[in-house]
Amino acid sequence: EVQLVEFGGGLVQPGGSLRLSCSASGFTFSNYAMAWVRQAPGKGLEYISAINSNGGSTYYADSVKGRFTISRDNSKNTLYLQMSSLRAEDTGVYYCVGNWNGDYWGQGTLVTVSS
Amino acid sequence: DVVMTQSPLSLPVTLGQPASISCRSSQSLVYSDGNTYLNWFQQRPGQSPRRLIYKVSNRDSGVPDRFSGSGSGTDFTLKISRVEAEDVGVYYCMQGTHWPRTFGGGTKVEIK
Repeated sequence: EVQLVEFGGGLVQPGGSLRLSCSASGFTFSNYAMAWVRQAPGKGLEYISAINSNGGSTYYADSVKGRFTISRDNSKNTLYLQMSSLRAEDTGVYYCVGNWNGDYWGQGTLVTVSS
Repeated sequence: DVVMTQSPLSLPVTLGQPASISCRSSQSLVYSDGNTYLNWFQQRPGQSPRRLIYKVSNRDSGVPDRFSGSGSGTDFTLKISRVEAEDVGVYYCMQGTHWPRTFGGGTKVEIK
């Protein structure tokens, strides 16, 4: 069974940093591109970052470019999202997503940016 | 960016009756490999999204056959042949052809 489990969400002050992790199991992680999609409270879905299977190619939405960094460790079956210079508008649930087109989804982790 | 426009925003449906959701893109979603990367997702209340349909009309594993997708180019439709109580939630289309990937605004399906 495919499982994606996110860790690392929480409350952070504006301007602060946070690192999200996503532990993958049940599929060959190193063969899959991975992505992060977020959802602000009561709002729709936003595809914010993606990385190819070997980590050599990354993508960022304009809303997070220069502030967020996606990476992966295929030896640990883990995906990361390093977030810095956080803003109130970054508040939301962050989902770890398997493959470019959303094959698999984690349960999400809540990030709250507030003073 | 490719704008994905869904309609209606809200869809009250009687149990056992059909439902249809429209998704239109501001540009063609045909990729250079000939495929059209249009996906449909379901988000039940309090749950993560899950994909129902990929490449316009292909059902994901475990998705009931009452769900079907169709369309081409810039105009796509998700149909539920007979709505069941478990189908309540928000449905999103997403294009996977162009960067950035973009989602429609969502259609909330509820039971009348």
